[in-house]
Amino acid sequence: RKEVEQDPGPFNVPEGATVAFNCTYSNSASQSFFWYRQDCRKEPKLLMSVYSSGNEDGRFTAQLNRASQYISLLIRDSKLSDSATYLCVVKGPMTTDSWGKLQFGAGTQVVVTP
Amino acid sequence: DTGVSQDPRHKITKRGQNVTFRCDPISEHNRLYWYRQTLGQGPEFLTYFQNEAQLEKSRLLSDRFSAERPKGSFSTLEIQRTEQGDSAMYLCASSLAGTGGYNSPLHFGNGTRLTVT
Repeated sequence: RKEVEQDPGPFNVPEGATVAFNCTYSNSASQSFFWYRQDCRKEPKLLMSVYSSGNEDGRFTAQLNRASQYISLLIRDSKLSDSATYLCVVKGPMTTDSWGKLQFGAGTQVVVTP
Repeated sequence: DTGVSQDPRHKITKRGQNVTFRCDPISEHNRLYWYRQTLGQGPEFLTYFQNEAQLEKSRLLSDRFSAERPKGSFSTLEIQRTEQGDSAMYLCASSLAGTGGYNSPLHFGNGTRLTVT
């Protein structure tokens, strides 16, 4: 089982609509969670961190469910420029073998159509 | 531009040749990471440094791969005897790790796209 799993999509979303998708993680001791955005053939860029109580950044809302071990991202009022791959990133726990490296999911592709 | 820079942007090499990539992190960042990404996959962790110390290496990093960060600034990733399976985007990222386990978000470079023919 992969440590971080995402639905690859694509999620085809009409402009102005809302889209939401989840990411599950396997290690219950994971410490921190992030959403990164990656445009085609570009580097990943941080979209937002995910806090325990949930957080919003403009049209983007992130939620964390520790009991079920998933995080979610919701995009409201989708814009054409939101078309990208959204990468779920989980920071593992610090152990004797690991300083808590970041593990990336394979990404969820979102395509916003006019 | 004070972001993470990687060189070269593209590298085409023949199987069996050695290649070396360079990464210059954001100057005040003490952590530097190497990731590898293939089409349709997320970045896979390879290794990371805190200052000049290499603190963790993935099992993905076979003995043909070596990374250095000799002065705690720029880093190089060398692949010896390249194989076609090494074809991928090699991403470098940096972050600032502080006290109490704080770690700033990763900032990625544009990547080096390696094609092994």
